[in-house]
Amino acid sequence: AQSVTQLGSHVSVSEGALVLLRCNYSSSVPPYLFWYVQYPNQGLQLLLKYTSAATLVKGINGFEAEFKKSETSFHLTKPSAHMSDAAEYFCAVSDSTNAGKSTFGDGTTLTVKP
Amino acid sequence: NAGVTQTPKFQVLKTGQSMTLQCAQDMNHEYMSWYRQDPGMGLRLIHYSVGAGITDQGEVPNGYNVSRSTTEDFPLRLLSAAPSQTSVYFCASRAGGNIQLFFGSGTQLSVL
Repeated sequence: AQSVTQLGSHVSVSEGALVLLRCNYSSSVPPYLFWYVQYPNQGLQLLLKYTSAATLVKGINGFEAEFKKSETSFHLTKPSAHMSDAAEYFCAVSDSTNAGKSTFGDGTTLTVKP
Repeated sequence: NAGVTQTPKFQVLKTGQSMTLQCAQDMNHEYMSWYRQDPGMGLRLIHYSVGAGITDQGEVPNGYNVSRSTTEDFPLRLLSAAPSQTSVYFCASRAGGNIQLFFGSGTQLSVL
């Protein structure tokens, strides 16, 4: 069984501040991990993914995430927030079994204040 | 590239009505799936398919039917709509050897 927990349903930062969105996962086999972003009235887009290569993964728009097996975490960060980063962010886990189905967290809404 | 196309974008139904949400992809992806998105609950898997002629239930399948007669299409049928099915529905697909999902733009469904 696999599951994802996103800590904090809402995160608010000032423009230029560090963005940190937290994600912890549970998986019985080595996981694949993802961060997706959803802008208002749109579908989800892939930000980045971890597939057992480098533990520090760089994605689009300056985001990155670090896979920490000992902490079962895959937190998303960005050094300096931009107004255009305001969106909902979803962490997801998948694995090579179970038809590769993805399980999503509940989402974190990021607000960026000017 | 069209990617994953969902129709309609918006739909209002009365309780008890039936309808089909359409999903088509032009990437020759083997795997297709339907999710519903509700506030504070993330995305929950309704049904999925690993290839034409093969479907299986996800986390919340009750009240929904699917079929996969072609690789391209994966329609979701609501048999008798209920207010609890008011949600945003997303179709997603991926290639067999890939794990990244590609999403459609969603269908916002209201059941009165």
